[in-house]
Amino acid sequence: NAGVTQTPKFQVLKTGQSMTLQCAQDMNHEYMSWYRQDPGMGLRLIHYSVGAGITDQGEVPNGYNVSRSTTEDFPLRLLSAAPSQTSVYFCASRPGGEIYEQYFGPGTRLTVT
Amino acid sequence: AQKITQTQPGMFVQEKEAVTLDCTYDTSDQSYGLFWYKQPSSGEMIFLIYQGSYDEQNATEGRYSLNFQKARKSANLVISASQLGDSAMYFCAMDVNNQGGKLIFGQGTELSVKP
Repeated sequence: NAGVTQTPKFQVLKTGQSMTLQCAQDMNHEYMSWYRQDPGMGLRLIHYSVGAGITDQGEVPNGYNVSRSTTEDFPLRLLSAAPSQTSVYFCASRPGGEIYEQYFGPGTRLTVT
Repeated sequence: AQKITQTQPGMFVQEKEAVTLDCTYDTSDQSYGLFWYKQPSSGEMIFLIYQGSYDEQNATEGRYSLNFQKARKSANLVISASQLGDSAMYFCAMDVNNQGGKLIFGQGTELSVKP
């Protein structure tokens, strides 16, 4: 199993550009989430999904869209990048049931100039 | 409001000694899960330990144990016999109602292990 994969690892955008951060997992996990980590801070939840076709907002959803058309993939779209979205983005997944550990991807470091 | 508080921005410990990292949480829900994650300088998030709110025993995983005091709403991480490789950021997190994808994180504690 590759686990949770994220692409790209690094990205530089100009203000106003849009892009999609990719996240995929091959563990057939039910739950998937996106977090952002700003310098010196813990992770904050952007969006999450409890299954294919079902998504919901987290703590900091503004400026981001998600969709979950398959169990495996959970892309995060930045609609119009702003410098405030400069951050490290982590995707995570979790199986359903009574296994509570979230498995994190390696992260994408995004800089918006 | 649901919140995780880690009051120690940085900690030092001598190699082979034990260290306790503090975590307090705030929730009015009865069902929740508490987690500790390690983030080394390479940046990945590594799961260490989990404690459910209804678990009567403190969780343990190798050198890691979670000192769960429900009445005080604290979930401190104890690392025994510290190793140089334990130097990292440590995050406490909570999943209210074990909702699956919604972790609330604290600000983290940077642990440095001295040889």
